[in-house]
Amino acid sequence: QQQVKQSPQSLIVQKGGIPIINCAYENTAFDYFPWYQQFPGKGPALLIAIRPDVSEKKEGRFTISFNKSAKQFSLHIMDSQPGDSATYFCAASMLFGNEKLTFGTGTRLTIIP
Amino acid sequence: DSGVTQTPKHLITATGQRVTLRCSPRSGDLSVYWYQQSLDQGLQFLIQYYNGEERAKGNILERFSAQQFPDLHSELNLSSLELGDSALYFCASSVSSGRYTGELFFGEGSRLTVL
Repeated sequence: QQQVKQSPQSLIVQKGGIPIINCAYENTAFDYFPWYQQFPGKGPALLIAIRPDVSEKKEGRFTISFNKSAKQFSLHIMDSQPGDSATYFCAASMLFGNEKLTFGTGTRLTIIP
Repeated sequence: DSGVTQTPKHLITATGQRVTLRCSPRSGDLSVYWYQQSLDQGLQFLIQYYNGEERAKGNILERFSAQQFPDLHSELNLSSLELGDSALYFCASSVSSGRYTGELFFGEGSRLTVL
């Protein structure tokens, strides 16, 4: 049973555009929602994360928007650059108790010059 | 560099064989997680160990087993290999219980190809 659904599967955006990746979760016990970035040949690395007590979090050009009632969250990349081309995974977990991350299926993002 | 070391990076073997993947967590991290990454299913959680004890189990097949040793390194054993076991296997570590921030640190993975 997939508990975190991610879309789209792939995304091509022109440099400077704002790619948006969406995720939806089912388990209301989740209280930690990170995004991981993975470059080819590398392991995923934490990009940004949010707790459900806030609706938005920004770190540099990356923003998470969180909608608790809809059980959805999304990643926005402002002023996207070719170097942002990577696979992005959303995830969810419970910070206290079951610490394992449940990942979405990933979005392959390509930023074209 | 995440500080998590996985060996081997690449492994090619035949169906029916057994392989062992090894992971050394970041210094100080007590928890080790194993994930399987395939093209269609993203990152699937297999199993978690904390300080030598199994802590959580995911979609791990009975043909697969893992353990965490006193020095905190972990091994994932895959036996009776099938073509469908071909995937990238990631190990991740974190500081757990009381000091867990939510962040997992991933190694670069072990790519297993079963022919």
